[in-house]
Amino acid sequence: DTGVSQDPRHKITKRGQNVTFRCDPISEHNRLYWYRQTLGQGPEFLTYFQNEAQLEKSRLLSDRFSAERPKGSFSTLEIQRTEQGDSAMYLCASSSRGAANNSPLHFGNGTRLTVT
Amino acid sequence: DQQVKQNSPSLSVQEGRISILNCDYTNSMFDYFLWYKKYPAEGPTFLISISSIKDKNEDGRFTVFLNKSAKHLSLHIVPSQPGDSAVYFCAASATGGTSYGKLTFGQGTILTVHP
Repeated sequence: DTGVSQDPRHKITKRGQNVTFRCDPISEHNRLYWYRQTLGQGPEFLTYFQNEAQLEKSRLLSDRFSAERPKGSFSTLEIQRTEQGDSAMYLCASSSRGAANNSPLHFGNGTRLTVT
Repeated sequence: DQQVKQNSPSLSVQEGRISILNCDYTNSMFDYFLWYKKYPAEGPTFLISISSIKDKNEDGRFTVFLNKSAKHLSLHIVPSQPGDSAVYFCAASATGGTSYGKLTFGQGTILTVHP
């Protein structure tokens, strides 16, 4: 169990540029989540994948945001035409659905995005 | 609409004493509750959880209490240690239906344990 890995750890970009983040979940975890955290707030849900299927998207996820999990393993989150309001920590988490539908999420260390 | 609230932004405790962190929720569909700890520049780390069929769960120095009628839970840390200094997040989930294990988080409480 090597934990959830996120890349890059930090990203500084200019407004209007596109950025892409990668998440590698714990191997064999079939559930993958993206969250966003801003200063002084708790993580906010963005989207959820079960295997390769994106099953839920928050209304926080505008049309400029897209997430994929093409082979049911790693996932990417792309933000197009970044805005200063996109500056935040983007967290990825994974979990394995057990016999009961409750299992803690295991988080990566996040990607901190700064839009200048 | 803040469905999970941690009303104390910060808490300061002396080493060896008890730390009590509180959390309130409004969604009656929530039936699984968790506490996470977060250090700067790291992701949240799972600490302890409780299902709504219980009112208490213990793991070493950490105990979580759930009061369903009051929609309130608390985390007790005894004895507190300087290494416990971190941000603590309360989270909740509705495990039925199409929740997919999605967690809703509170705003966090900064715990500082003084030597």
